[in-house]
Amino acid sequence: AQRVTQPEKLLSVFKGAPVELKCNYSYSGSPELFWYVQYSRQRLQLLLRHISRESIKGFTADLNKGETSFHLKKPFAQEEDSAMYYCALLNTGFQKLVFGTGTRLLVSP
Amino acid sequence: DVKVTQSSRYLVKRTGEKVFLECVQDMDHENMFWYRQDPGLGLRLIYFSYDVKMKEKGDIPEGYSVSREKKERFSLILESASTNQTSMYLCASSVLAGDTTDTQYFGPGTRLTVL
Repeated sequence: AQRVTQPEKLLSVFKGAPVELKCNYSYSGSPELFWYVQYSRQRLQLLLRHISRESIKGFTADLNKGETSFHLKKPFAQEEDSAMYYCALLNTGFQKLVFGTGTRLLVSP
Repeated sequence: DVKVTQSSRYLVKRTGEKVFLECVQDMDHENMFWYRQDPGLGLRLIYFSYDVKMKEKGDIPEGYSVSREKKERFSLILESASTNQTSMYLCASSVLAGDTTDTQYFGPGTRLTVL
């Protein structure tokens, strides 16, 4: 069964501190993984996808197939990074996403 | 720029009422999705559709139905609303991308309260 696990409901850090939001997955095929973000009063939107290997707003995520992880990292958190973050796995057979339960990131000044 | 709109931002209904949530996208996307978003549970897929008049059950379809009469419009129907259907409902659309990765574009959400 496909599953995405985000073990932390809330991650609270100070501005300038490093951030790592954890995501683990279970999938029998070759995974395609995403991070979506929802800022306060805004719609859910794509932050990044592993296949493009890009850095968005200073965030990066590396797919580790050995550890079945796709953790989201940023070296220096900013207050505007405060948001809800969801890790998601694409079920390619059905073109649908399986989402984790989300982690709320709170960056304090 | 992809636009996904939902008919209402806030909705209050009574137990037993029939409720319609409408979603419209303007990018000619084949795929459309309905999720509910609950604290601690994340996003859970209710129904999705690959094409007009096609629908597939998601992970939590009980108590819901959908309609896709036109490509741009995907409706979620609560046949007889219950208090446990109080939630935030999100609609999304994406291109049918075959084997390639596709991005889902989300609407602003409808917060439904069932009294």
